[in-house]
This record gives sequence, structure tokens and C-alpha cells, in this order.
Amino acid sequence: EIVMTQSPVTLSVSPGERATLSCRASQSVSSNLAWYQRKPGQAPRLLIYGASTRATGIPPRFSGSGSGTEFTLTISSLQSEDFAVYYCQQFNNWPRMYTFGQGTKLEIK
Amino acid sequence: QVQLQESGPGLVKPSGTLSLTCDVSGGSISSGNWWSWVRQPPGKGLEWIGEIYPSGTTNYNPSLKSRLTISLDKSKDQFSLKMTSVTAADTAVYHCARGGAAGGHFDYWGQGTLVTVSS
Repeated sequence: EIVMTQSPVTLSVSPGERATLSCRASQSVSSNLAWYQRKPGQAPRLLIYGASTRATGIPPRFSGSGSGTEFTLTISSLQSEDFAVYYCQQFNNWPRMYTFGQGTKLEIK
Repeated sequence: QVQLQESGPGLVKPSGTLSLTCDVSGGSISSGNWWSWVRQPPGKGLEWIGEIYPSGTTNYNPSLKSRLTISLDKSKDQFSLKMTSVTAADTAVYHCARGGAAGGHFDYWGQGTLVTVSS
């Protein structure tokens, strides 16, 4: 099973600053990597898929990069609504299997 | 806008069977998408449970496979999860989700339903 490790566990950033979240896979997942935002009481929201493609309606301040085993989610200028927990998720095509990272909590500094 | 809504008992007894249904609206379950179940135990991360394609093909998380059945009802635009022999470790918020057209991710999610395993 591919293990996804996110860092840091908690990230404290001031509004208007840049946030950089990392996700590492235990083996290569190519570009089969997605990022989600989760707020309390809400369903996860897809932000990025294919490592770098923004989902429909996602603002351009969210960007994803990386391939293989190292991935990054960058939020260029934090807005108040961006403080949440972020999860990365990989997909393995054979056998079909999805695994998530443990999450990074982005909190207001 | 596709919407998914989970339903089912919020309390299940240990060794019993957990049964949940996901209603799909704003789109058809017969579209070329995979349909999944994902759960999140309290204080823990997200775990993929399994998926089903409109053809009926299923894939399950190997760690849960022996206890799972996922099925779908095209006439009702629903898909369902059955998990047998549940324990307290199966207490979680259960989400249904739609696989994105490009594959490998989930583009629409239900709000989730809390299922507690307790006597």
C-alpha cells in the first residue's frame, strides 16, 4: 500500500501571506495526486487533481505542483476562508486504490 | 449541479451490519463515473472504502474487502454500502463521493453521515 505523508501537521500563517503544504508518497504515483480542503461539518472540497489542475471554480491563488513522490499545494495569498484542513490523496490504477494523507491543519497566525 | 446524500441508521450494534445508501441527484448514476464510499473516524484521517462503476464492477479497500458489498440501483440513481461484522473501530462519518471524469479523484461528495457502533 502506498503511504502518503503530509507536512507539516499544523501550519500557522497570517492572512495575506503564502502557505506551502507538502505531501510525500512512499513510492511514485506519477501525477495521480489530488488535494482537498475540509472545513468542520462540510464535505471535502476538491481543489487540485492530476497534481496541478485546478478543479472547477477554484480560485487561482490555489496551485499544485510535483510528480512522482513529492507534491506541493501553494496558496499564494491566504484569505480568511482558506483556514481549514487540507488532505492529499493518491490514486493507483492497478489494483485500483486510493489513499489519503493524514492532513495539514492550516491555522491563523 | 450533482448532489449526493447519504442515509441510513446512525447506530449499529457490534457484530451487526452497517447499511448506507447514497442518493444521487442532478446527474445520473449511469454516467461514466465511479461511485465511492469514504469514511473518517473521529480524530483520524480519510479512508477510501470502495467503489462501483455503472456496469456493476467493484473495487474494495483490501483491508476491508472481506466485509464489504457495494451495489447500485440505476432505476433510483442510488448506490449502497453494506459492511458486516462491525466493531467500534468502524465508528466514523461515512461519505459517498463521485469519481471525477479524468479519474483518480473525487469531484462531488455527500455531506456525510455519522455511524456509531455501540451496544
